[in-house]
Amino acid sequence: ELKVEQNPLFLSMQEGKNYTIYCNYSTTSDRLYWYRQDPGKSLESLFVLLSNGAVKQEGRLMASLDTKARLSTLHITAAVHDLSATYFCAVDGNFGNEKLTFGTGTRLTIIP
Amino acid sequence: NAGVTQTPKFRILKIGQSMTLQCAQDMNHNYMYWYRQDPGMGLKLIYYSVGAGITDKGEVPNGYNVSRSTTEDFPLRLELAAPSQTSVYFCASSYSTFREETQYFGPGTRLLVL
Repeated sequence: ELKVEQNPLFLSMQEGKNYTIYCNYSTTSDRLYWYRQDPGKSLESLFVLLSNGAVKQEGRLMASLDTKARLSTLHITAAVHDLSATYFCAVDGNFGNEKLTFGTGTRLTIIP
Repeated sequence: NAGVTQTPKFRILKIGQSMTLQCAQDMNHNYMYWYRQDPGMGLKLIYYSVGAGITDKGEVPNGYNVSRSTTEDFPLRLELAAPSQTSVYFCASSYSTFREETQYFGPGTRLLVL
């Protein structure tokens, strides 16, 4: 059974600081996704990572994937208040049907 | 494009009642999914479909049924509502598994079973 663990579960950080969210998964996967969810809202796709060593950046967010370590990271650079949200990683453990297994999420709060 | 739409937005059910959550997408996506999200938790897959007429169970299918008669629509049926089905339900869709495609999520349906 595929398990996806995120840490930390809660993160409170000051504006301007850097931090990293970690996503570990238990079995071989073909792809890894990062999503953002604002309170009471739906999920918004941030990144899709397809191969070992993949790195993608959008604004102050950068995601990377190490398939050998079964680890993905979401790095936040110089955090701003607008980045406050819950961030989920999700892993597709069965090639061909996109049955995603989600982590429990990291609730990020950026303090001015 | 409207993307993925869901109705209703919010519903209160009594124990034992039935209802259908509607989901539609206008992106001509082959794959469609139903997830539930319990408070403070990640999403869990209920059912998914790889095309019209083809559905399969996800991680938590008990108490639910689905059908996929068209590419656009993927309704989720709750036959005998139970308090454990209180959750937020998200429908999602994607084009294929052979491209750098993500899943697109609807706005969600909040369901309260009392």
